[in-house]
Amino acid sequence: QGQLVESGGGLVKPAGSLRLSCTASGFTFSDCYMSWIRQAPGKGLEWISYISGSGSTAYYADSVKGRFTISRDNAKNSLFLQMNSLRADDTAVYYCARTWASRADFDLWGQGTLVTVSS
Amino acid sequence: DIQMTQSPSSLSASVGDRVIITCRASHSISNYLNWYQQKSGKAPKLLIYAASNLHSGVPSRFSGSRSGTDFTLTISNLQPEDFATYYCQQSYTSPGTFGQGTTVEIK
Repeated sequence: QGQLVESGGGLVKPAGSLRLSCTASGFTFSDCYMSWIRQAPGKGLEWISYISGSGSTAYYADSVKGRFTISRDNAKNSLFLQMNSLRADDTAVYYCARTWASRADFDLWGQGTLVTVSS
Repeated sequence: DIQMTQSPSSLSASVGDRVIITCRASHSISNYLNWYQQKSGKAPKLLIYAASNLHSGVPSRFSGSRSGTDFTLTISNLQPEDFATYYCQQSYTSPGTFGQGTTVEIK
């Protein structure tokens, strides 16, 4: 049914940048919308960005708009999140998640990667 | 943005109990409501999609229903592995907002 594996998290200073990756396997990657969802320590879930299967459409939550950029490489079954101008409140576990074009839910999640923004 | 109000924020229950978690949308979202289970330190898992459809592999003791803008997740015959945090999520509009979560603890 598929697998998603995130990477790229780590410790970064405020105003710094980081690029997260999510590698997909076991399904037709280009058939799916892909999203990034984050969870601050001890807090709930926040959907921050999605991208269409072709990569032509993207959406950003207000909290990251202008700072984060989502992209994908369907030839490499990979999803990316370029994060710039990072702030302390961006500290969270970042999950990638799959949505089939015919559905509107996140039916497959990666294990998450922790991003810590601290000086 | 559509706000999702989930209640209660936490509850204590015993194995074998019936548990009901509710989620209210601030605007009409039709049936675009999903439920997820998250265990400590793990990624969320989809339980119910489109208000009442059981995701593949999810035990039948989980069920979902809708009444207007009110949605419920029911766990019948609570099992030890069901102790977790549950989130609702609307997928009617972007951003697909989540409820604040309900933690089901062992009584």
